[in-house]
Amino acid sequence: EIVMTQSPATLSVSPGERATLSCRASQSVSSNLAWYQQKPGQAPRLLIYGASTRATGIPARFSGSGSGTEFTLTISSLQSEDFAVYYCQQYNNWLTWTFGQGTKVEIK
Amino acid sequence: QVQLVQSGAEVKKPGASVKVSCKASGYTFTSYDINWVRQATGQGLEWMGWMNPNSGNTGYAQKFQGRVTMTRNTSISTAYMELSSLRSEDTAVYYCARGHVYCTGGVCYEGAFDIWGQGTMVTVSS
Repeated sequence: EIVMTQSPATLSVSPGERATLSCRASQSVSSNLAWYQQKPGQAPRLLIYGASTRATGIPARFSGSGSGTEFTLTISSLQSEDFAVYYCQQYNNWLTWTFGQGTKVEIK
Repeated sequence: QVQLVQSGAEVKKPGASVKVSCKASGYTFTSYDINWVRQATGQGLEWMGWMNPNSGNTGYAQKFQGRVTMTRNTSISTAYMELSSLRSEDTAVYYCARGHVYCTGGVCYEGAFDIWGQGTMVTVSS
């Protein structure tokens, strides 16, 4: 099983600032990586797939980068609605998909 | 609009089974795979398994092999997830999620989840 490790566990950021979240895979997942945002009491929302492609309707302030084992989600200027938990997920090997443990982005 | 609507909360005793439904609307049900993901309170996301609604083919995470069954009724665009031999550790919110397919460079990929149900809380308690 591919283990996904996210860091940091919690990120304290002021509105308007830049947030950088990391996700590391225990082995290469090529570019088969997605990012999700989850707010309390809600289902996750797909933000990024293919490591760097924004899903439909996702604002341009969200960007993804990386390949292989190291990935980054960047939120260029945090808005109030961006404070949430973010998960990465690999889908490199068919039907052995795994998620990271999440990064909580909180208001500083 | 495209959506997945799940059945309501369930309370079960240890050893029992639970069956959660997921009704699709706004798109052709048989054209997209359905996955099930669960989340214990305050915890992360855990992928459970996959189903192709057109063929009925399924694939399950090793952890759930032998305990989970995914089925569908195409006439009502509904997918089902049944989990048996429930234990307290199965207490969680269960989500259905549509498989996202994209093609680039002549190759198509699937594995992310673009549409999610609202979640179904399953509580296992004696």
